Amino acid sequence: KAGVTQTPRYLIKTRGQQVTLSCSPISGHRSVSWYQQTPGQGLQFLFEYFSETQRNKGNFPGRFSGRQFSNSRSEMNVSTLELGDSALYLCASSLGTAYNSPLHFGNGTRLTVT
Amino acid sequence: AQSVTQLDSQVPVFEEAPVELRCNYSSSVSVYLFWYVQYPNQGLQLLLKYLSGSTLVKGINGFEAEFNKSQTSFHLRKPSVHISDTAEYFCAVSAGATGNQFYFGTGTSLTVIP
Repeated sequence: KAGVTQTPRYLIKTRGQQVTLSCSPISGHRSVSWYQQTPGQGLQFLFEYFSETQRNKGNFPGRFSGRQFSNSRSEMNVSTLELGDSALYLCASSLGTAYNSPLHFGNGTRLTVT
Repeated sequence: AQSVTQLDSQVPVFEEAPVELRCNYSSSVSVYLFWYVQYPNQGLQLLLKYLSGSTLVKGINGFEAEFNKSQTSFHLRKPSVHISDTAEYFCAVSAGATGNQFYFGTGTSLTVIP
């Protein structure tokens, strides 16, 4: 079974631009979560989608948004990029609705904002 | 709210020596606990999980962890480490009525010295 796939692996953008990251979950997984990983802050929860609905949202500004499609694939968008948005963005999928379903992570998209 | 504290940011250990990576959590409700490993330029991979039952859980690559409710700890151990165990290790907790919001520790960098 294929794992979680994130595209692209690397992105370089300039301040003020916007970016869209894509995530394809493991087949059959309906929950998709997004995390931002930085050396200083560790993993910070962005949001989680289940059946095209956002169920949970972390403490990030409205510039960060996401959506999930009917096939469970998800996209994350960051508008008006800032230097501090440089990070590894990780997508994770899980089977169920319960919080005891382990997360399965993709290899991430490394975003560099210059 | 839940939080996770990984007490050691860096742990150097000689090859074939035992290792313990410490994790404490805070939560007012029942929790589910996880350890993940991250190799360079990759996403996180599940090592092991505690959902219920026996407090000693065994995972992949010879790792095990013990859930101690009274001390709110979930320390990760391996009796004999290998060079290939060099990686970043994250402790995570999830709890809550809905969704898959996980809280991660800041990580412990394990370096195995030949």
